[in-house]
Amino acid sequence: NAGVTQTPKFRVLKTGQSMTLLCAQDMNHEYMYWYRQDPGMGLRLIHYSVGEGTTAKGEVPDGYNVSRLKKQNFLLGLESAAPSQTSVYFCASKSSVSSTDTQYFGPGTRLTVL
Amino acid sequence: RKEVEQDPGPFNVPEGATVAFNCTYSNSASQSFFWYRQDCRKEPKLLMSVYSSGNEDGRFTAQLNRASQYISLLIRDSKLSDSATYLCVVNQPSGGSYIPTFGRGTSLIVHP
Repeated sequence: NAGVTQTPKFRVLKTGQSMTLLCAQDMNHEYMYWYRQDPGMGLRLIHYSVGEGTTAKGEVPDGYNVSRLKKQNFLLGLESAAPSQTSVYFCASKSSVSSTDTQYFGPGTRLTVL
Repeated sequence: RKEVEQDPGPFNVPEGATVAFNCTYSNSASQSFFWYRQDCRKEPKLLMSVYSSGNEDGRFTAQLNRASQYISLLIRDSKLSDSATYLCVVNQPSGGSYIPTFGRGTSLIVHP
């Protein structure tokens, strides 16, 4: 049982390049989330998904797209990377809609955009 | 104005000290509350949930005050290993579900 995994762990991009971050969970969780964490800003929600085939915007969705084609995977795409997207990206999953359920986080992806 | 606010600190305390953190939230319809711990360059991990009646887990005590819309975390007999950032999380209603909203975190440094 690996929990929540993220690929890749590190990446350096040039401005304008594209990439996809992969999040996978093996806990059969319904909810999945993508956050970014910048110094002094805490975790900010980019997009989230309440189930396979559904996605919704969070607090800072601009410049990102997501897809949830399979329940266990949640992909975060950057179509044209910008230096402002340099950040640490965390994926999380949660069992259900219940407000008392807790989130489980992946180890993070450290992205630098030059 | 951020919906969940925390004092960023850092709180710099000696071993054995008692330290308390507060977190305020703006949405009175928020349903559930948590404290997470985050070590440097690591992912956040659940420290404890916060229940209406207050709850304790060893040296850690969490309390909720719905009337004043804040939660607190008390750490007694601080250890060096308690040094970390403590994140307040509030589940806020949005579009029929609850969205976890994070505070910016409070940094704790415990020194010998």
